[in-house]
Amino acid sequence: SQTIHQWPATLVQPVGSPLSLECTVEGTSNPNLYWYRQAAGRGLQLLFYSVGIGQISSEVPQNLSASRPQDRQFILSSKKLLLSDSGFYLCAWSRRQGGGEQYFGPGTRLTVT
Amino acid sequence: QKEVEQNSGPLSVPEGAIASLNCTYSDRGSQSFFWYRQYSGKSPELIMFIYSNGDKEDGRFTAQLNKASQYVSLLIRDSQPSDSATYLCAVGGSQGNLIFGKGTKLSVKP
Repeated sequence: SQTIHQWPATLVQPVGSPLSLECTVEGTSNPNLYWYRQAAGRGLQLLFYSVGIGQISSEVPQNLSASRPQDRQFILSSKKLLLSDSGFYLCAWSRRQGGGEQYFGPGTRLTVT
Repeated sequence: QKEVEQNSGPLSVPEGAIASLNCTYSDRGSQSFFWYRQYSGKSPELIMFIYSNGDKEDGRFTAQLNKASQYVSLLIRDSQPSDSATYLCAVGGSQGNLIFGKGTKLSVKP
């Protein structure tokens, strides 16, 4: 069966500090990978998605970036965090050739102070 | 811009009743539709998906799709307090991504 991991689970960072969130998927090959952000009282916002190693598409211009160094690893980064970056960050995967259903990891709750 | 609309609720139903959650979408070309359940502080969990017009049943859950009306719903029969959560409707986008509604909060009262 497939499993998706995210870490850390929670993070408190000061404004202007860097960020690195990691997501890994087990039990599948060549997945599509996604980063979402869910701010308090708001819906899920797609930030990045990737269909393969080194292939990243950005949905929203911001101070965040994403990388996919390995097939089942997806990293979300920032060089300098803003207060508005606070939120619940979710990684998800889907099968490359599938019906489109996505499966979410446990998430990282980020508070920027 | 493609949109998915849900009533934010809260929707309150007594234990044992049928809960009906509704969702409308703007892109007439959408082909895939999903319902996720999200408990407070947790990540969304996929509970149903539907691609064809009509009903799809899975245990106590029934998803209903009407593409002509651009409407998808989720029925929960014999609602339990453990069903209390926020339910997210999602619609497949043209690039394989999902477009999510903001969710409906359901509260099942014992």
